Amino acid sequence: SAVISQKPSRDICQRGTSLTIQCQVDSQVTMMFWYRQQPGQSLTLIATANQGSEATYESGFVIDKFPISRPNLTFSTLTVSNMSPEDSSIYLCSVEKDTGELFFGEGSRLTVL
Amino acid sequence: KNQVEQSPQSLIILEGKNCTLQCNYTVSPFSNLRWYKQDTGRGPVSLTIMTFSENTKSNGRYTATLDADTKQSSLHITASQLSDSASYICVVEGSSASKIIFGSGTRLSIRP
Repeated sequence: SAVISQKPSRDICQRGTSLTIQCQVDSQVTMMFWYRQQPGQSLTLIATANQGSEATYESGFVIDKFPISRPNLTFSTLTVSNMSPEDSSIYLCSVEKDTGELFFGEGSRLTVL
Repeated sequence: KNQVEQSPQSLIILEGKNCTLQCNYTVSPFSNLRWYKQDTGRGPVSLTIMTFSENTKSNGRYTATLDADTKQSSLHITASQLSDSASYICVVEGSSASKIIFGSGTRLSIRP
């Protein structure tokens, strides 16, 4: 298994500001992902966080809006930049173990006013 | 287009009853299918993972079935408990660049 800690668990932010979400894993993992879950909907992959190189973004997501860091194999950050109310969502960190199983953090619930 | 469709969208049953959730997918080529449980305000937690060669897999009161020919899966919950109230998400992983596709989930509510 994997224990994933996310910070903050929730936050209320003003339009135009930026927020950085941290994800810490209790073991080294190669594959680390960031997802978004909008109210009442399922998960959408934002990007794959690559250790030592730029993240790989999915269609519809760009680095300027969602910059990601992955300094080592146990830690990553996702920044939501220049926020608008449409960015209100739950942001989830996920890791894939060698078994192929995905583990998720508890999520960071973001509300933008 | 690779898709994962779940039904019903929501379901309410009485405590102690059984229920079955459905998942149909068009992801091809197919690698594995997973069922997750997501409690309100929490991250998804894995229930089962099945490859194309597996027909059924159990995890306590949860039993998942897979028919890779018809591209259908079901999650059967036996003797439901109040703590089973959650969203259940079907996730299909393709074996090429089709990546991981999430279903929209079934919202299950157990009533006492």
